[in-house]
Amino acid sequence: QLQLQESGPGLVKPSETLSLTCTVSDGSISSTFYYWAWIRQPPGKGLEWIGSVYFTGNNYSTPSLKGRVTISVDTPKNQFSLKLSSVTAADTAFYYCARHYGSSGYYEYAFDSWGQGTLVTVSS
Amino acid sequence: SFELTQPPSMSVSPGQTANITCSGYKLGGKYANWYQQKAGQSPLLVIYQDYKRPSGIPERFSGSQSGNTATLTISETQAMDEADYYCQAWDSKTAVFGGGTRLTVL
Repeated sequence: QLQLQESGPGLVKPSETLSLTCTVSDGSISSTFYYWAWIRQPPGKGLEWIGSVYFTGNNYSTPSLKGRVTISVDTPKNQFSLKLSSVTAADTAFYYCARHYGSSGYYEYAFDSWGQGTLVTVSS
Repeated sequence: SFELTQPPSMSVSPGQTANITCSGYKLGGKYANWYQQKAGQSPLLVIYQDYKRPSGIPERFSGSQSGNTATLTISETQAMDEADYYCQAWDSKTAVFGGGTRLTVL
């Protein structure tokens, strides 16, 4: 069964770049049928999609984060990554990686597998 | 911008039916997905493409859509169904989540 595991620093200073990695197990990130996503949730609040990436490197992100997002894929390591620049306290959240079906630029399907999430706190 | 609106909370007695709604301008014509999130856990997909149930999800979970409102129905609600429920849809290649509904079973 597919497993997703987030990893990265739990504390980031304001104005710096948040970096997280999601390792995919028991499944291939190079599958032509899936996209790989980052979703976050501030403590006690709702879910927000950050963006998604395909194994080719094609990626999409929410306009609301105004170009601060970089999502990339490392197929040999079966991992994908998130970088969020210029962070503020508002970026403090649980960050989840997830999978959704998609192919050839059409990816508007449900998130069917999720990692356990990792809390990132932005504080000096 | 595209928004999805859910009631913040609702309560239901064990064995009764819970109907959680999700409304949004232009939701009609888009697929709605529903996620269950229990305390301290990551979300779990319970309904996709309006009414389809993933493998392993109990039959008491069902979904429907009419006009600009999607509904998650939990029949014969059990204590284990107490959780936050989020609807989600795609608009202009962006995933949008509703604000979530906290379901209390009491």
